[in-house]
Amino acid sequence: NAGVTQTPKFQVLKTGQSMTLQCAQDMNHEYMSWYRQDPGMGLRLIHYSVGAGITDQGEVPNGYNVSRSTTEDFPLRLLSAAPSQTSVYFCASSRGGGGFYGYTFGSGTRLTVV
Amino acid sequence: AQTVTQSQPEMSVQEAETVTLSCTYDTSESDYYLFWYKQPPSRQMILVIRQEAYKQQNATENRFSVNFQKAAKSFSLKISDSQLGDAAMYFCAYRTLSGTYKYIFGTGTRLKVLA
Repeated sequence: NAGVTQTPKFQVLKTGQSMTLQCAQDMNHEYMSWYRQDPGMGLRLIHYSVGAGITDQGEVPNGYNVSRSTTEDFPLRLLSAAPSQTSVYFCASSRGGGGFYGYTFGSGTRLTVV
Repeated sequence: AQTVTQSQPEMSVQEAETVTLSCTYDTSESDYYLFWYKQPPSRQMILVIRQEAYKQQNATENRFSVNFQKAAKSFSLKISDSQLGDAAMYFCAYRTLSGTYKYIFGTGTRLKVLA
């Protein structure tokens, strides 16, 4: 099993550019989430999805869009990159909302906005 | 709102010794999950151990065990017989049983293992 696959692993953007961070899982998990990790702040939830066609906002959604057209894929779009979006981004998936089973995380994307 | 606090930014332990990482949390809920995740230099977040709040028995996974004190809202991780491969960032996380499926993460503790 590949688990949760994130691409790219590293990315540098200029302010104002847009891009999509890809996330795919092959475990047939219903729940998928995007988190960002900033130094000294732990991980914070950006958006999440409880199934194909259903998404909702987390605590830091501004500047990001998501969609979930299939169970496997959950891309994160940066609409107009800003230096404040420099961070490490993690995609995670789970059965049952990440309670009993916990989350399976991807290996992360380090994004730098200059 | 729930909060998770890890008051130790960095800890060190000698190889083969035991170390305890602290985590406290604040919640008004009675049912929830607590987790410890490990993040090695590879950046991958790995689930170490899970505790259901309704269970009084402390969870154990091989060399990893927790001391769960529900009334005190404390959830510490004990690593026994520390190994060089245990060196990583460790995050404590809270997961409510209702609502948004959101995890609340602490800010992490960097564990160094000394040979």
